[in-house]
Amino acid sequence: KAGVTQTPRYLIKTRGQQVTLSCSPISGHRSVSWYQQTPGQGLQFLFEYFSETQRNKGNFPGRFSGRQFSNSRSEMNVSTLELGDSALYLCASSLDGRVLRVGTEAFFGQGTRLTVV
Amino acid sequence: DQQVKQNSPSLSVQEGRISILNCDYTNSMFDYFLWYKKYPAEGPTFLISISSIKDKNEDGRFTVFLNKSAKHLSLHIVPSQPGDSAVYFCAASLLRGSNYKLTFGKGTLLTVNP
Repeated sequence: KAGVTQTPRYLIKTRGQQVTLSCSPISGHRSVSWYQQTPGQGLQFLFEYFSETQRNKGNFPGRFSGRQFSNSRSEMNVSTLELGDSALYLCASSLDGRVLRVGTEAFFGQGTRLTVV
Repeated sequence: DQQVKQNSPSLSVQEGRISILNCDYTNSMFDYFLWYKKYPAEGPTFLISISSIKDKNEDGRFTVFLNKSAKHLSLHIVPSQPGDSAVYFCAASLLRGSNYKLTFGKGTLLTVNP
């Protein structure tokens, strides 16, 4: 079955602009989480959506927001971009957001590499 | 504060030998642990996991050991192969939680030399 699909793969934006990233989870998966990966901070949790509702949020400013559609696809938006937002943004999907047993772990997409200039 | 720590940024081993990657955590509420492998320009790939009710889980060449009293886990790869060269992330989660949030370490770059 198809994996997690993230678009676009690469993006270059200017400071002050806004950006929208997209994630299509594995078919049947209803939980989508977003992570930011930077060299200095590693992988950091942004937020998690389940059934179109944000259930959990990491420690990121309000410029970072997201949403989930009825087909479980999710978008992440970053407004007023800063140079420090340059990172790899990863999306992970899982069945329902809980690790119920081996085999229900989260699966990651290839990520969107965002560069802010 | 970093709740999951991988204190070795890099590790180099010879092909055929054992690779041991270490991970420490501070939050005693964590009760499920995962290892992910990541190649450049790709997303992390799930490797192996362990619940806190176990102290060992094995899958082929990969074995994860958990020492709850020391809040320490390790990933053993035997024998190591050049294709294992990648960044390995340790992650922790709450099994009983209704929300899914992984707390990751900063990763260890493993290089397996032919």
